[in-house]
Amino acid sequence: AQKITQTQPGMFVQEKEAVTLDCTYDTSDPSYGLFWYKQPSSGEMIFLIYQGSYDQQNATEGRYSLNFQKARKSANLVISASQLGDSAMYFCAMRVDRGSTLGRLYFGRGTQLTVWP
Amino acid sequence: EAQVTQNPRYLITVTGKKLTVTCSQNMNHEYMSWYRQDPGLGLRQIYYSMNVEVTDKGDVPEGYKVSRKEKRNFPLILESPSPNQTSLYFCASSFRTGRLNSPLHFGNGTRLTVT
Repeated sequence: AQKITQTQPGMFVQEKEAVTLDCTYDTSDPSYGLFWYKQPSSGEMIFLIYQGSYDQQNATEGRYSLNFQKARKSANLVISASQLGDSAMYFCAMRVDRGSTLGRLYFGRGTQLTVWP
Repeated sequence: EAQVTQNPRYLITVTGKKLTVTCSQNMNHEYMSWYRQDPGLGLRQIYYSMNVEVTDKGDVPEGYKVSRKEKRNFPLILESPSPNQTSLYFCASSFRTGRLNSPLHFGNGTRLTVT
């Protein structure tokens, strides 16, 4: 069974500081992908970053980077130079490369990030 | 513009009155899915579809129905809504075959209240 765990219900960070949002996952499939989504207070789900299980390097997208530690089964999101607009709920998700379920994303419960001035 | 469109955005209804939430995507995605989001529980999958006429239950299918008669549309049907189905609902789609890195594209959500 696939499982995503986000242990931080809420996180606080000061503007311009970096913050790490934790995500651990559990799967027996060797091929999988990890995603992070942002959900601002307006409600929409915004795709941020992707990491494949066979990717040699950690993914980066602008101020977002993914600290991928395969042996620990963790895929933490790092946001550098936080901005007030980063205040949102963040979800970690996983997809496994299995024919019958390819496409399905398994989500964690989310971390509410608050950036203060 | 590539998008997933779900309607309505907000819906207030009464117990037992059948309703349908529509979802349409214009990206030729094979995979479509419905999620519900509740505080503290994250997103839980209701139903998903791998392609036309192929649907399957997710984690919380009770009280819901879906159909996939066309590739672009994937409506969610509540035959007899109950208050415990009050939630924020998302439709999402993605490529499926051979594209592990294809992100899910989400609609803007439907906030349903059942009284």
